[in-house]
Amino acid sequence: DAKTTQPPSMDCAEGRAANLPCNHSTISGNEYVYWYRQIHSQGPQYIIHGLKNNETNEMASLIITEDRKSSTLILPHATLRDTAVYYCIVRASGGGADGLTFGKGTHLIIQP
Amino acid sequence: GAVVSQHPSRVICKSGTSVKIECRSLDFQATTMFWYRQFPKKSLMLMATSNEGSKATYEQGVEKDKFLINHASLTLSTLTVTSAHPEDSSFYICSARGAGWHEQFFGPGTRLTVL
Repeated sequence: DAKTTQPPSMDCAEGRAANLPCNHSTISGNEYVYWYRQIHSQGPQYIIHGLKNNETNEMASLIITEDRKSSTLILPHATLRDTAVYYCIVRASGGGADGLTFGKGTHLIIQP
Repeated sequence: GAVVSQHPSRVICKSGTSVKIECRSLDFQATTMFWYRQFPKKSLMLMATSNEGSKATYEQGVEKDKFLINHASLTLSTLTVTSAHPEDSSFYICSARGAGWHEQFFGPGTRLTVL
């Protein structure tokens, strides 16, 4: 799986959009970008994933650059409950049987 | 998203005893289940992968005789920590995935403390 680089921490004001960057410059053509988050002392939560196109669901939007070497997770209206560690993970198609490799992630703190 | 449960959520045991942790997919059939552990202030580390009806595949450095994994049905996997020692104290988390799915869904975790 390609390596990812994320800032260790970020702050965002409540109600504003939180933009979390991820660099994955060695991504291969068949590798997807996945985002998960982990709220303190809970299991991780799946957020979104994408291959080439931008994706949006009820939780977030995922913007992938045209060269696929970086991406941004956008939480459009951050709330205090969005405070968590966010993990950007790159791996090949989900049809495989491999588990996920978690890096250190970005600790997002939403400020009131 | 799909729901995964774990039981117990918290367990304290004496050194030398064995502890069993259950992971259940509540509303889908989990063809693959994964077990992770997480030490304080660290990221999750994959321990093993199990497919229903097959033997689990363990990551390097994880002792298969110490961490017994059984995936007997499409909705249940168990992790048994045998002869637990204080260094096995950790947060154990399972995840599950349906056939062909991209995403994994995680359980809430089990906090194990070995005295």
